[in-house]
Amino acid sequence: AQSVSQHNHHVILSEAASLELGCNYSYGGTVNLFWYVQYPGQHLQLLLKYFSGDPLVKGIKGFEAEFIKSKFSFNLRKPSVQWSDTAEYFCAAKKNTGFQKLVFGTGTRLLVSP
Amino acid sequence: EAGVTQSPTHLIKTRGQQATLRCSPISGHTSVYWYQQALGLGLQFLLWYDEGEERNRGNFPPRFSGRQFPNYSSELNVNALELEDSALYLCASSLYLAGVEQFFGPGTRLTVL
Repeated sequence: AQSVSQHNHHVILSEAASLELGCNYSYGGTVNLFWYVQYPGQHLQLLLKYFSGDPLVKGIKGFEAEFIKSKFSFNLRKPSVQWSDTAEYFCAAKKNTGFQKLVFGTGTRLLVSP
Repeated sequence: EAGVTQSPTHLIKTRGQQATLRCSPISGHTSVYWYQQALGLGLQFLLWYDEGEERNRGNFPPRFSGRQFPNYSSELNVNALELEDSALYLCASSLYLAGVEQFFGPGTRLTVL
């Protein structure tokens, strides 16, 4: 079955620390990849997405992610986190054919201490 | 531009009852998706409607059903409620194109007592 794994369930960082959240997917073939973020009390919103082309994707708020096909990975990174990055982060994947559902990982809760 | 809206915000039911949740997509979006977000389980895909048709269904029992209306709004019905149905139910919408992003609503918090 198609699945998405996020390795870290909870991450605690100090402001200015670097962030890397792991994400692996189990799909073969062409896949679309996403990172969504849910800030406290807010809607789930898109951080960045990968469809094709440059495997290094830039998103909003200084986030980026790298698609490594050989490792089935799409890790999220930010060089220097801020207190306002405290949120839950979800990786998601979808096969790029027909009516394929979007499958989410279980999420990573990030707490950034000031 | 108005985002995805959901109603009600909160819903409290007792075991065995039926719940109806509603979703209005972003104007111009034809696809509506429903997800269940239970504590510790992330988002579990429930249903996908596009142009009034059910396009895909997640691994949920038949008592989870829904429909999409001609104006593309959608309704999720949960029959014979069980305690474990307590969760946040999220609706999302998108244009129907392979790979496009989904825009999420605020959710309906369903509590089953």
